[in-house]
Amino acid sequence: GENVEQHPSTLSVQEGDSAVIKCTYSDSASNYFPWYKQELGKRPQLIIDIRSNVGEKKDQRIAVTLNKTAKHFSLHITETQPEDSAVYFCAARKSSGAGSYQLTFGKGTKLSVIP
Amino acid sequence: DVKVTQSSRYLVKRTGEKVFLECVQDMDHENMFWYRQDPGLGLRLIYFSYDVKMKEKGDIPEGYSVSREKKERFSLILESASTNQTSMYLCASHGPVEQFFGPGTRLTVL
Repeated sequence: GENVEQHPSTLSVQEGDSAVIKCTYSDSASNYFPWYKQELGKRPQLIIDIRSNVGEKKDQRIAVTLNKTAKHFSLHITETQPEDSAVYFCAARKSSGAGSYQLTFGKGTKLSVIP
Repeated sequence: DVKVTQSSRYLVKRTGEKVFLECVQDMDHENMFWYRQDPGLGLRLIYFSYDVKMKEKGDIPEGYSVSREKKERFSLILESASTNQTSMYLCASHGPVEQFFGPGTRLTVL
């Protein structure tokens, strides 16, 4: 099955600096890679995703890059703000057959933005 | 707006009790999931279902069972609760694009 590794497990940055979280996956058939943000006491929510036919996607201060050859993808947050403090999860998914919507998650990165 | 709801936010049970956690989604999604979330271990898949009355084991199914009698409802059952099942339980529903999570149930087994 799929295996997703996520690094680092914790990350502290100064407000205004950039943050990068990296994930690797094992199954070359995976073709959809979402990122979820979980604020303290709340449910995980999708913040950005990328499909395997795209190398990069941006949405304001967040961007995701994908390297299919190396089987890794990264989340980039620029100009970090205190409200970016949360746990971030990466995930990978194949999309064919029964159970095709099963996501495999990384173990999460706790991001702390220091004012 | 997709809504995934869970029957309880907090639950305290005793060892050996049978525990039911219920999840309901209102978007006619076929795929539903149960995860447990523990510090440092991320989201681990317990069971999932891709259709009514269909169920598949995830990565950690031992000690759990599930029921999907109706499309909108997916129940997680702890047949005989144990202290190592103390955790946050998250239900999710997956549509054609995105997976949505419920608010979670924090279960404590004493």
